[in-house]
Amino acid sequence: QAVVTQEPSLTVSPGGTVTLTCGSSTGAVTSGHYPCWFQQKPGQAPRALTYDTAIKHSWTPARFSGSLLGGKAALTLSGAQPEDEADYYCLLSYSDARVFGGGTKVTVL
Amino acid sequence: QVRLQESGPGLVKPSETLSLTCAVSGYSISSGYYWGWIRQPPGKGLEWIGSIHHSGTTYYNPSLKSRVTISVDTSKKSFSLRLSSVTAADTAVYYCARDRATMIQGVFKGGFDFWGQGTLVSVSS
Repeated sequence: QAVVTQEPSLTVSPGGTVTLTCGSSTGAVTSGHYPCWFQQKPGQAPRALTYDTAIKHSWTPARFSGSLLGGKAALTLSGAQPEDEADYYCLLSYSDARVFGGGTKVTVL
Repeated sequence: QVRLQESGPGLVKPSETLSLTCAVSGYSISSGYYWGWIRQPPGKGLEWIGSIHHSGTTYYNPSLKSRVTISVDTSKKSFSLRLSSVTAADTAVYYCARDRATMIQGVFKGGFDFWGQGTLVSVSS
């Protein structure tokens, strides 16, 4: 089974920009992996942010954007807010299976 | 608004079968989409368990496939998870979610949008 890798932790200043990435042990991540991103705050269920690489849900703040970057899926947070401090997970799709990344803890400081 | 609510025992003995149900409101299961189960061990990341189409077609995580059964009951507006021969490693918060995926050449296109609040299941004697 594929392994999906994310940065364990990242720090961003309030109002700053940070990019989280999501890589695959099988090679470059492409649009055919239909990357999804989720945000999870302590004690809460995950909340969907984007799917199919870059499509936002109706509730997703405009400051979040998904893309492909250097062979990986990426989630960029532009203009970080204190409430964006959370764990972020990516999800990639493979033949008949899905695999979550290990998560990135984002600190806004 | 789509709402999902997990229910089931919070404690299961080793070697027994874990059974959970997810009640869906605000959307008809039989209208389409897949419906999925995801789990999260305490302090760890998310793991996809499997998904079921409203027609009954299922896809399971290969690492759990031999022990997992997901079923759907459209009349009861719910879907269920059974995980057999559990061990302490199966202790986790179990989430159900709407999986707004379509299958494109055997790959899931789309993702989970609405999630339940999760339920902690501990495996212990």
